Parts: sequence; structure tokens; C-alpha cells
Amino acid sequence: SFELTQPPSVSVSPGQTAIISCSGDKLRDEFASWYQQRSGQSPLLIIYQNTKRPTGVPERFSGSTSGNTATLTISGTQAMDEADYYCQAWDRSTVVFGGGTKLTVL
Amino acid sequence: EVQLIESGGGIVQPGGSLRLSCAASGFTFSNYWMDWVRQAPGKGLVWVARILIDGTSTYADSVKGRFTISRDNAENTLYLQMNNLRAEDTAVYFCARDVFGGDLNWGQGTLVRVSS
Repeated sequence: SFELTQPPSVSVSPGQTAIISCSGDKLRDEFASWYQQRSGQSPLLIIYQNTKRPTGVPERFSGSTSGNTATLTISGTQAMDEADYYCQAWDRSTVVFGGGTKLTVL
Repeated sequence: EVQLIESGGGIVQPGGSLRLSCAASGFTFSNYWMDWVRQAPGKGLVWVARILIDGTSTYADSVKGRFTISRDNAENTLYLQMNNLRAEDTAVYFCARDVFGGDLNWGQGTLVRVSS
């Protein structure tokens, strides 16, 4: 198995840019996905294959990768973006989620 | 509209068994990989098991040998047979459809509580 490491929490002011990182050696070889989970709701896929957005996900959400780190960027953060965010990667034998990052919009 | 509806959760004693179901609709079920993911109260997402189109399955180490994922393509249903349950298996269990390598669609989850 492998591990993905995220910061436990990130804070941002409304309208500013939030950056959430996800690090792990597996990210050098495999794609990362990102999920948003609002309180009491099921997760929502917001980024797949490192950089792609599913239909309906706002353009302010973007993904990137460099080396062993995947990054989720939320531009012009809104109050409704306050949620937990999880990265995910997989290989032939396992799927791993990061520990999650709680985004607080102050 | 894609729908995934889990059922079968409940309270079970340690060492007991439970079978979860996930009824799928709105897409060609047999064409997609499917996942089970769980979330303990107040904790993060943890992958449990995956089943591929051909029925090949993989498991998290924590459930290997105790849980079995299966699918009935004729009934458009995903299953998770859980045996020898432990307190640490207490969680909401979600089924999810894998698309593009990410879990695009999720059910609402079903709660499993392992307690004496």
C-alpha cells in the first residue's frame, strides 16, 4: 500500500485563493483525484486525472501536479466552498485516500 | 439520472455478519468498476474494496479475508459481504461508480454499527 499526506486544515478569506496539497511517492506515477465533502453529504468528485473537472464543477476549482505532490487550487473562494477535501490515487492493487483537509472560509 | 442506493446497514454484534447492497440505475452497470468506501464517525474517507468489469476484486488490507465484494450485472446490484465484524468496522458505507479513474457518482451511504 501507499500513503497520501494532506494538511489537516486550511483557512482562507472569501474571494482569496485556497491551496490544498497532497503528497505521496505514488503521485509520481499515478493520477490524483480530488473530492469535496460538505457536512452531512456524500463526497463529490471535483478533479480527476490530476487536472480535469467533471461537468458541472465550477471553473474556480483546478488541479495540478509536480513531482510527488498534487495540488487543489480554489480561486475566488466562496463561503459555500467550506468543506472537507480529499485527494485519492490508485494503482493495480489498491485505492488510497488522503487524510482530508478541512477548508475554513473565514 | 445516475442513482446509487445502498441498503443493508444496521447494528451487529462483534464477530457477526452483514451484507450490504447497492442498487444502481441510470447507467450500464456492467460497464463500470465499482467501489465501496467507508467513513467512521467524524473521520475521513477510507477505501474498502473495488470490483472490475470482469469481476476481479481488490481489498484494503484491513478487510482482506473478511469482506467480499461482488456484483450481479443482471440485477444492476453491487454487494459487500462483511464477516467477522469488528468495532473498528463501524462506519457509513458508500458505494461509488468509478469513471475516468475517479469515483464520479456516490450513494447516500448506509450506517453499519458493530457493538455488543
